[in-house]
Amino acid sequence: AQSVTQPDIHITVSEGASLELRCNYSYGATPYLFWYVQSPGQGLQLLLKYFSGDTLVQGIKGFEAEFKRSQSSFNLRKPSVHWSDAAEYFCAVGVILTGGGNKLTFGTGTQLKVEL
Amino acid sequence: GAVVSQHPSRVICKSGTSVKIECRSLDFQATTMFWYRQFPKQSLMLMATSNEGSKATYEQGVEKDKFLINHASLTLSTLTVTSAHPEDSSFYICSATPRTTSTDTQYFGPGTRLTVL
Repeated sequence: AQSVTQPDIHITVSEGASLELRCNYSYGATPYLFWYVQSPGQGLQLLLKYFSGDTLVQGIKGFEAEFKRSQSSFNLRKPSVHWSDAAEYFCAVGVILTGGGNKLTFGTGTQLKVEL
Repeated sequence: GAVVSQHPSRVICKSGTSVKIECRSLDFQATTMFWYRQFPKQSLMLMATSNEGSKATYEQGVEKDKFLINHASLTLSTLTVTSAHPEDSSFYICSATPRTTSTDTQYFGPGTRLTVL
């Protein structure tokens, strides 16, 4: 069975500083990997995803992530954090379902706090 | 973009009563809908997967008789928590996969906060 580990429960960064959120996965085959952001009162929003191809994936809001098979990692990065980036971030691994959709297994999340 | 709504956003009920939560895809037809449960400060746990017109597939450890899922149409899925107890208090989130896109896209609803007294 697949699993996802997000080692950092909380991270605090200053506005304008760079950010890296860690994600490690366990899956027997080539993984489908996702990063979602959850803000209070809003549904999870997809930041980016990796299925195949270029291991450096660009997403929305200036985020990017790099898939490293040798390290089983898919870390999320942003060069300069904005105060509005404060939220909960979830990494997930997906398994494609024959009936449609993909079954997601989420990590425990990283709460990002941005200091002004 | 695709929008998924949930109703109600918040519900408080007495122990022993049943509560129904609706999940709607507003501008697309959903092949598959998913129901998750999220405890405070924790991750989302998949409860079940449902396809329109067929029975839901429940994850291990989820009581199908307690958490009834009905996927009556391509735009509506409902989760009914039967005979709710305080331990059922949680944040319930649904998501939906559009019929017309590849299987990688899943849109999430804003969630429903259930409090059982």
